[in-house]
Amino acid sequence: EAQVTQNPRYLITVTGKKLTVTCSQNMNHEYMSWYRQDPGLGLRQIYYSMNVEVTDKGDVPEGYKVSRKEKRNFPLILESPSPNQTSLYFCASSFSPRIGENTEAFFGQGTRLTVV
Amino acid sequence: AQKVTQAQTEISVVEKEDVTLDCVYETRDTTYYLFWYKQPPSGELVFLIRRNSFDEQNEISGRYSWNFQKSTSSFNFTITASQVVDSAVYFCALTFQTGANNLFFGTGTRLTVIP
Repeated sequence: EAQVTQNPRYLITVTGKKLTVTCSQNMNHEYMSWYRQDPGLGLRQIYYSMNVEVTDKGDVPEGYKVSRKEKRNFPLILESPSPNQTSLYFCASSFSPRIGENTEAFFGQGTRLTVV
Repeated sequence: AQKVTQAQTEISVVEKEDVTLDCVYETRDTTYYLFWYKQPPSGELVFLIRRNSFDEQNEISGRYSWNFQKSTSSFNFTITASQVVDSAVYFCALTFQTGANNLFFGTGTRLTVIP
């Protein structure tokens, strides 16, 4: 089954404790990205990757890191989480970097992160 | 600047009523793509439809229909004969042919269908 898998689904952590949210896709997609969803703001892109070893900032990259060492995996790293990073996070992937041209973005199930 | 506005924050309807969710977008690009996603209470994002800027045909899929009007920069979504299972947050989104393929999302409309 084609899917984007995020782990964990729920996470409560303390300020400053490094954490990683994993994302894996089994569709051989080149393009992957991370979004955060906040009430009243919709979803905003954090980082994206056009292919292995190619990553770039989205609209809200501060406080986050990513890596793309393998095509299927795109982990999101919070080196020193803060309470304002409490949010619902989504990983997405698509076959083409050009979402829209006969392709769509497939989203993971979401990771609800709480930083206390 | 690219922007998607969903002015309706929350809508409640009684089951079997029709409901329209509004989406207004802003862009200077001539080629762009519009999407609707559904987010049920379980939290995942479910793709509903994609429409490109050159295709203004309205689309119907079962109880769902979409009205795309470039003249008013709107891409509205109508659910006919709503059901309780339609209760969800619905997001309209916009992306472009060039650039980082960032999906620009609206703030979402929470639809509650009352039995």
